[in-house]
Amino acid sequence: EPEVTQTPSHQVTQMGQEVILRCVPISNHLYFYWYRQILGQKVEFLVSFYNNEISEKSEIFDDQFSVERPDGSNFTLKIRSTKLEDSAMYFCASTSQGERTEAFFGQGTRLTVV
Amino acid sequence: AQSVTQLDSHVSVSEGTPVLLRCNYSSSYSPSLFWYVQHPNKGLQLLLKYTSAATLVKGINGFEAEFKKSETSFHLTKPSAHMSDAAEYFCVVGLGQGNLIFGKGTKLSVKP
Repeated sequence: EPEVTQTPSHQVTQMGQEVILRCVPISNHLYFYWYRQILGQKVEFLVSFYNNEISEKSEIFDDQFSVERPDGSNFTLKIRSTKLEDSAMYFCASTSQGERTEAFFGQGTRLTVV
Repeated sequence: AQSVTQLDSHVSVSEGTPVLLRCNYSSSYSPSLFWYVQHPNKGLQLLLKYTSAATLVKGINGFEAEFKKSETSFHLTKPSAHMSDAAEYFCVVGLGQGNLIFGKGTKLSVKP
């Protein structure tokens, strides 16, 4: 069964450092997303990406964040200068269509900023 | 504004007894609704979805949910709990462009 894969599963970084979280969406999907879940809190939408550009982003997704699809398979989330409050589980997801279709999620990357 | 409320943060049932996880939503138009499950150290897995077809939706692992517009509810049920059902369950409202609004989650515990 096709699945979304994320690497690494756990990343520890020092405050102020840049991190890149990587995702390989399902191959025939066209819409890609990042979500995050701070420990003990809700899963929150960060950004959606379609046709090589951001289609929607939340207030959380500020200038410190960026996304990229550098090739035909990877989808990355970059945090330019990490803060302690960026510590969270980050989930990548993809869908075949944007509207009314379920998102397929990866297993997540746990980011710990120290 | 769209929102989703899961009424119970923790539900505990005995194996073999029914499961009811409650969810209410707020949406200004006919929403897409989903239930996802998250097992420890695993990703989010889709259990079932409602997208304006049948109001009673059947999902995987014996779960089902009924969309009740008059009550703005989408409760998740299962007739008989299994130990493997112990996990966290999220009720989700789908907006356009893949923006999903998650509930806070309900942790389901199943006692032998």
